[in-house]
This record gives sequence, structure tokens and C-alpha cells, in this order.
Amino acid sequence: DIQMTQSPSTLSASVGDRVTITCRASQSISSWLAWYQQKPGKAPKLLIYQASSLESGVPSRFSGSGSETEFPLTINSLQPDDFATYYCQQYNSYPWTFGQGTKVEIK
Amino acid sequence: EVQLVQSGAEVKKPGESLKISCKGSGYRFSTSWIGWVRQMPGKGLEWMGIIYPGDSDTKYSPSFQGQVTISADESINTAYLQWSSLKASDTAMYYCARRPAVTGTFDSWGQGTLVTVSS
Repeated sequence: DIQMTQSPSTLSASVGDRVTITCRASQSISSWLAWYQQKPGKAPKLLIYQASSLESGVPSRFSGSGSETEFPLTINSLQPDDFATYYCQQYNSYPWTFGQGTKVEIK
Repeated sequence: EVQLVQSGAEVKKPGESLKISCKGSGYRFSTSWIGWVRQMPGKGLEWMGIIYPGDSDTKYSPSFQGQVTISADESINTAYLQWSSLKASDTAMYYCARRPAVTGTFDSWGQGTLVTVSS
């Protein structure tokens, strides 16, 4: 299985900050990487697919990049609604796998 | 509007069987894969498996192969996740999600079904 590792596990930030979460794959996954946002008690929500494509309706302050094994997710000008847990997920090969999650907390 | 509506919360005893459902609407059900994801209390997301309702082609994570069965009935736009003998460690929230060709990954999710297994 391909292992996905996110860093950091927790991130404390303030409204207006620019934050970056990184996801690393244990082997090359080309650009088959997605990012999800999950809030407590809710289902995950797709933000980014194919490493850098913004899902319809997702604010443009979210951006993804990278390829092969390293993938950053950047949130420009953090908003109150952005405090949540973020997961990366590879869909290059079965079984698909998720990162362990990064919780973005209010500083 | 694409919607996935899951069956309600379940409370079961160890050893009992269970089948939960996920009904799709607002799109052509038979031509998008449907996957299942587990989230144990306070933990992260785990990919369990995925099925193509059009031909019932199914892929499982090795972690869940033999532990659960994924199926679908395209005539009623519904996918299923079932257990033949539940364990306390199956207590979790279970989500279904759609994988369309455009994104290649899960773009729409059900609301989740909470399964509690306790004696």
C-alpha cells in the first residue's frame, strides 16, 4: 500500500494567515492526489483533485500543487470557516489511502 | 443536484449481521463508482473499498477484504456495505462517496451512518 504522511499533525494559526500543509507519498503517485476538509460531525468535502485542480464552488484561497511524492496545500488568508481537519488522499492505485489528517486550530 | 443518502444509525451486538445502504440521486448511478470510508471515533479516514454499480466490479482494501462485503443494486440506485458478524471494533462512522470520471476521486459524500457494536 502507498503510505501518505501529512505534516504537521496540528497547526495553530490566526485569521488572515497563510498556511501550508504538506502531504508526502511513500512512492510516486504522479498527480493523483486529492485534498479534503472535514468539520466535526460532518462528512469530508473535496477541495482539490489531481493535485492542483480546484473543485467547483471551493474558494480560490485554497490551492494545491506538487507531483510525484510531495504535495503542498496552501490556504491564503485563513478565514474563520477554514478551521477544520484536512486530509490528503492518493488515488493512483488501489487501495486508495488517506493521510492521517492535519487539524488547523485557532491560535 | 447529486445526493447520496445513507441509512440511519444502528446499534448492534457482537456477532450480529448488518447491512447499511447508500442511495444515489441526481446523476446516472450505474456509471460512477461508489466507495466506502470508515472513520473510527476521534480518528482519521480509512478507505474500505469501491464498487462500479454498472457491472459490480469491486475493489477492497486488504485491511477490509473478507471483513465486509460491498454490493450495489443499480435498479434502485443503492449501494450497500454489510457485515456477517460484527465486532466491537467495527464501531465507527461509515461514509459512502461517489467517484465520477471528471475528478477521478470522491466528489460527493453521504451524511454518514454511525454503527455502534456493544454487548
